[in-house]
Amino acid sequence: FVMTQSPVSLPVTLGQAASISCRSSQSLVYDDGNTYLNWFHQRPGQSPRRLIYEVSKRESGVPDRFSGSGSGTDFTLKISRVEAEDVGLYYCMQATIWPRTFGQGTRLEIK
Amino acid sequence: EIQVVESGGGLVQPGGSLRLSCTASGFSVANYGVSWIRQLPGKGLEWVAATGYNGENAYYADSVYGRFTLSKDPSENILYLEMGSVRVDDTATYYCAKETLGASPQYWGQGTAVIVSS
Repeated sequence: FVMTQSPVSLPVTLGQAASISCRSSQSLVYDDGNTYLNWFHQRPGQSPRRLIYEVSKRESGVPDRFSGSGSGTDFTLKISRVEAEDVGLYYCMQATIWPRTFGQGTRLEIK
Repeated sequence: EIQVVESGGGLVQPGGSLRLSCTASGFSVANYGVSWIRQLPGKGLEWVAATGYNGENAYYADSVYGRFTLSKDPSENILYLEMGSVRVDDTATYYCAKETLGASPQYWGQGTAVIVSS
C-alpha cells in the first residue's frame, strides 16, 4: 500500500479552513467492512498524536473543528478554522493491511 | 493510566546490534498490540513493526524484515525491538505506541534516538 498525501506544504491564514488529501494505492476497506484510515498530528519537538481513526472517528479531546471523511481510496482531513496550535505535520496512516504505511506528511504553517 | 516509555537508544556502528525497550504501564504487552514507528532526522514517520491487535503476532516493514525482531518480557511488561545488522539509514528516533480502537497507535512514548555511525 502506498499512501500519497497532498499538499506537501499548506500555508493557512488563522481562522481559515484547511484540507489535506490522502490517497491509497488500494482500497482500505477491510474484510470486516471497516476502513482503517487514521490521521495524526505532530507538533514541533513532540510525539505524534492520533486525531482521527476509522476515517471519521475523532479521538477523545480532539476539537470538533477537525473532521475526517472519505471512502475506498480517497480520504480528507479538514480543519474548519485553523488555530495557531494546529501548526505542524499531519500524517495519514492505513491500518487495514500489513505492513502499515504512512503518508509522507503535510506541513501546516500559518501565513 | 496507560503509558509507554522507550529506552535503549544510542550510538551503534554499522552492522552492529542494539536492543530498544518499550516499557508499558496500565496495560499488558502480552495482550495488546504495540507498534514501533520511527522518524528519520527531518523526515516523516515510518512504521517499523508491531505485535498485532492481541499482542501475539509480529509484523515488520520490508525495510527491516530479517534484521529486526520483536520480543517480549511479560514479567517486566516490556516489548523489545532487537535491531540487528543496522545500517546508516536506520538512524532515527524510535517511538513505541499502544494500539487501540481502529487498530492504530493511540498512546505514544517520547521516543529514543538511535544513531548508526562509524
